[in-house]
Amino acid sequence: EVQLVQSGAEVHQPGESLKISCTGSGYDVSTSWIAWVRQMPGKGLEFMGIIYPGDSDTRYSPSFQGHVTISADKSISTAYLQWSSLKASDTAIYYCARRVVYGDHGWFDPWGQGTLVTVSS
Amino acid sequence: SYDLTQPPSVSVSPGQTASITCSGDKLGDKYGFWYQQKPGQSPVLVIYLDNRRPSGIPERFSGSNSGDTATLTISGTQAMDEAVYSCQAWDSSTVVFGGGTKLTVL
Repeated sequence: EVQLVQSGAEVHQPGESLKISCTGSGYDVSTSWIAWVRQMPGKGLEFMGIIYPGDSDTRYSPSFQGHVTISADKSISTAYLQWSSLKASDTAIYYCARRVVYGDHGWFDPWGQGTLVTVSS
Repeated sequence: SYDLTQPPSVSVSPGQTASITCSGDKLGDKYGFWYQQKPGQSPVLVIYLDNRRPSGIPERFSGSNSGDTATLTISGTQAMDEAVYSCQAWDSSTVVFGGGTKLTVL
């Protein structure tokens, strides 16, 4: 079974750093793109960026470029999303999802269970 | 930037047909994808490449895409279909999601 398992919920203060993870199993993680998607409280899905763990090729949505860093360690089938200085507005659920490639397109399946990040003083 | 617009909410009676639209400039020239998200759960793919159903998704879910509008149709809607449905497309090598539509079955 193809599965993505994310790290647990986090509570941090503004200004702190954070790195959350997404570990794939049931498929060759190094040959599939993994995306990160934000969902703020009561809001819709927002694409943040995507990484190819095989060579760490990374693409960011313009809205998130410079605000987060996406990385991966193919040796442990894991992708990461990190912040150097959290803000209250980073409070959200963050999902990872595997991209199934179809030409220049593709869909996201499956999704991780989500990681709730709460930033509050 | 490219935008996808969905109605915030759609209501349907059990057993009836629900249609959820997703509008974007020349969306029909791209592929449309749909995700179902129930409260407290992760999104689940229900339609890919405009009208294809993943294994395990009931036949009552179907999709179409033409002109500026992609449509998710649920025939014989059941109470278990109550969820938020989000459309997705690609534009200039980036991913765009619609704002999501809450489907209420009442």
